[in-house]
Order: sequence, then structure tokens, then C-alpha cells
Amino acid sequence: SSDLTQPPSVSVSPGQTARITCSGDSLANHFSYWYQQKPGQAPVMVTFKDTERPSGVPRRFSGSKSGTIVTLTISEVQPEDEADYYCQSADTTDTYLVIFGGGTKLTVL
Amino acid sequence: QITLKESGPTLVKPTQTLTLTCTITDFSLTTSPGEGVAWIRQAPGKALEWLGIYYWNDDRFYSHSLGSRLTITKGASKTQVVLTMTHMEPVDTATYFCAHALTFCLETTCSFNMDVWGQGTTVIVSS
Repeated sequence: SSDLTQPPSVSVSPGQTARITCSGDSLANHFSYWYQQKPGQAPVMVTFKDTERPSGVPRRFSGSKSGTIVTLTISEVQPEDEADYYCQSADTTDTYLVIFGGGTKLTVL
Repeated sequence: QITLKESGPTLVKPTQTLTLTCTITDFSLTTSPGEGVAWIRQAPGKALEWLGIYYWNDDRFYSHSLGSRLTITKGASKTQVVLTMTHMEPVDTATYFCAHALTFCLETTCSFNMDVWGQGTTVIVSS
């Protein structure tokens, strides 16, 4: 399968830890990437190559991988972290095709 | 610092051809091995959908979902990448983004990653 599956929504209270998962066969053999998208804005990359964090992204954002599941963890969630989060990787059979997950709406209660 | 900006029509009629231009600063396709410019769209309330990429060595890779409707070319200026999509329909209504892309390889497989995005441009398909 070339799909990436994410939960539609995750809710946490401020200061708690949010974990957003993404599963797909292609993740076993390709890097994963996570993007944050706030309403009306372009996506912003928050992790790359499974576990790396771009400069400028707060340290509370981290990525991990176990087999065909990758997880974006947001520690000590802030109200401004409320957004849609998308995972991305490559197609299982065609490495030059990009695939996105369906997105997860993170709500900060 | 790389920046990208999309430009083109806001409104197109069904069956018409859409042409969007991505203008890039502080980046040259011809001198950046492993880098490219990708196009992604997002229908209202929907997930991101990758359309294709123009790669540094003039290779192009396209999403299979659009068949032969999509073409990505380099503009007359080395700082522009152009998306052309034929036979536009209302389902193609979306915000279209261009983005700078990098290539990362894990053992024997590689993947693209979009590290810098343009602000996006809204395209409405309606008669």
C-alpha cells in the first residue's frame, strides 16, 4: 500500500504531551517528514529524516520511528501548537512519488 | 534565504488550461544537485496533495492521479517554474503551493522533502 494513515484528531490540554501517529508500509524503507499547517497558512516543516528538527522549530517537537509507524511528539503543548499536522514520505513502489497522510487536527483544550 | 511565490489566475472556467508560475529567490535549479521545485495543492478542507516536481537535472516526476493533464516546466527565467494543468474541472478548485524540495536517501531509497513553501495561490474553477 502507498497510503499513510493518521488519526483525524488529537486533543490535549496545555502543558501535556501530544502524540500523533502515521502508519504506512512505505515508512519501513523511506524517511518520514512532518508538517504543521495553521489555518490560512502554508505548511511548515517541523521534522525531517524521521527524527531531525529544522533550525527554528521549538525543541518540544520531535519525531520517532518504529517499523512502519512514525510518531510526532509535541511535549509541553502550547496553545499556538493547535494546527493540522501532516506526515509525508515516498510511495512504496516509486520512490520519486511523494505521498501525504490525511492530516491530524491537533486541538489544544 | 530561499523564498517562493506563486502567481496566476484566481478564476478559470471548466475545460480551460491553468498556468501557474512559481518565482524563486536565492535558489538556482541548475546549480543545486538533489534539489528541485515541487507543486502541491489543497482543496478546501482537504489534505495536501502532491502534484509533481521539477528536479535540478531537468527530470520531472508527476503524481499518477492527474495522468497526462499536468506538465511542469522551467520558465524563461531561471528563477521560475511553471505548472500547466489542462482540462480544469470544479474538483480542481484548490490552493496551489510551490515549494523548494530536497532529496534525502535512506540506504538504497531516496525521497523528496519540501522544506520551504510559498504562500499559496487560490484557484477557483467555475463557469
